[in-house]
Amino acid sequence: DTAVSQTPKYLVTQMGNDKSIKCEQNLGHDTMYWYKQDSKKFLKIMFSYNNKELIINETVPNRFSPKSPDKAHLNLHINSLELGDSAVYFCASSHGGTSGRTDTQYFGPGTRLTVL
Amino acid sequence: DQQVKQNSPSLSVQEGRISILNCDYTNSMFDYFLWYKKYPAEGPTFLISISSIKDKNEDGRFTVFLNKSAKHLSLHIVPSQPGDSAVYFCAASATGGADGLTFGKGTHLIIQP
Repeated sequence: DTAVSQTPKYLVTQMGNDKSIKCEQNLGHDTMYWYKQDSKKFLKIMFSYNNKELIINETVPNRFSPKSPDKAHLNLHINSLELGDSAVYFCASSHGGTSGRTDTQYFGPGTRLTVL
Repeated sequence: DQQVKQNSPSLSVQEGRISILNCDYTNSMFDYFLWYKKYPAEGPTFLISISSIKDKNEDGRFTVFLNKSAKHLSLHIVPSQPGDSAVYFCAASATGGADGLTFGKGTHLIIQP
């Protein structure tokens, strides 16, 4: 039974397109995240979000926007895709929200985005 | 600026021996540290963690040691098994973790039979 799932697993698209990656967690967690793993294999936080607060990494372009229809989902929308957006994107979730530590995060399998 | 550093891109260890993976950090605000294991085409899997109020945490074959004065932590795996072959990421957090985790670049551990 998958705890954190992402769709699609692979996404190939043209420059300039708009795309979305979906993420769902069935762990009952309060906080969800998006990370980007670039070609140098660094995993970097993009967003963290619970039902009260969105924290954005200041280096993330505003073409990227998280959308949370409910506590179990955090989708990532990307507008006007660029070549440099090619990477693996990981969704994660954790307990706690703003009332406690959210450190131990559980990750999805990743979505490999290729922009041509 | 890399706040979490794993200086060994790869490590090869014989099956049954001890594997020691190292991690250094620069941000003195970090107060919680984690190790994740990652297989190809999968997401990172949580392995073990340690709070800055401790210097050791053990879970089965895995032990994490924290040296706060040196800003250094290590993961010991003993005995090493073939299934331990994977990339290991060190991660750290501060502020309760709400800002997310800061990861090292990873160490590829290869267990040789």
